[in-house]
Amino acid sequence: AQKVTQAQTEISVVEKEDVTLDCVYETRDTTYYLFWYKQPPSGELVFLIRRNSFDEQNEISGRYSWNFQKSTSSFNFTITASQVVDSAVYFCALSGANTGNQFYFGTGTSLTVIP
Amino acid sequence: DVKVTQSSRYLVKRTGEKVFLECVQDMDHENMFWYRQDPGLGLRLIYFSYDVKMKEKGDIPEGYSVSREKKERFSLILESASTNQTSMYLCASGFVGSENIQYFGAGTRLSVL
Repeated sequence: AQKVTQAQTEISVVEKEDVTLDCVYETRDTTYYLFWYKQPPSGELVFLIRRNSFDEQNEISGRYSWNFQKSTSSFNFTITASQVVDSAVYFCALSGANTGNQFYFGTGTSLTVIP
Repeated sequence: DVKVTQSSRYLVKRTGEKVFLECVQDMDHENMFWYRQDPGLGLRLIYFSYDVKMKEKGDIPEGYSVSREKKERFSLILESASTNQTSMYLCASGFVGSENIQYFGAGTRLSVL
């Protein structure tokens, strides 16, 4: 079974603080993909990153970084020096090679950055 | 830029009405998807389509049907709307294969009274 757990429902931080959003997944597939999406108040989910199961290198993009650890089945997302524009709901998702491009989403983490 | 366009941002319908939600993508994607988003439940897949006239049930297809007559257009149909179908509906599209990224529309917030 494919499952994604985002245990943090809501997080509030003060601007310029760092924040980490947790994502834990379950899958029996040996080949799979992990994703993060951002959903600002406008509603549209915006793709942030995709990572495949064979690539455990961490990735940094500006203030965003992602830590993928197969040993703990986690794909955590860190925002450094948070800004008000980072306020959004963030979704982690999983897609298995054998699930026909079907995505399994976590329940999302609502991040509020307080100025 | 990929563009996925949903025909309405907000809709208000009455119980028992037939409701059509339209989605159009401009990237020649094979796959298209319909999700509903509810607080605390995340996104749940209703139906998806991997080709014209092809459709597959997702996790919560009951009460819904879909139509894909052209590659760029994927319609979600509520045959007889009910109050428990009040939700945010999100359409997505993507290529088959290694790229495997879904691109989303802005969503339709449907209220069934």
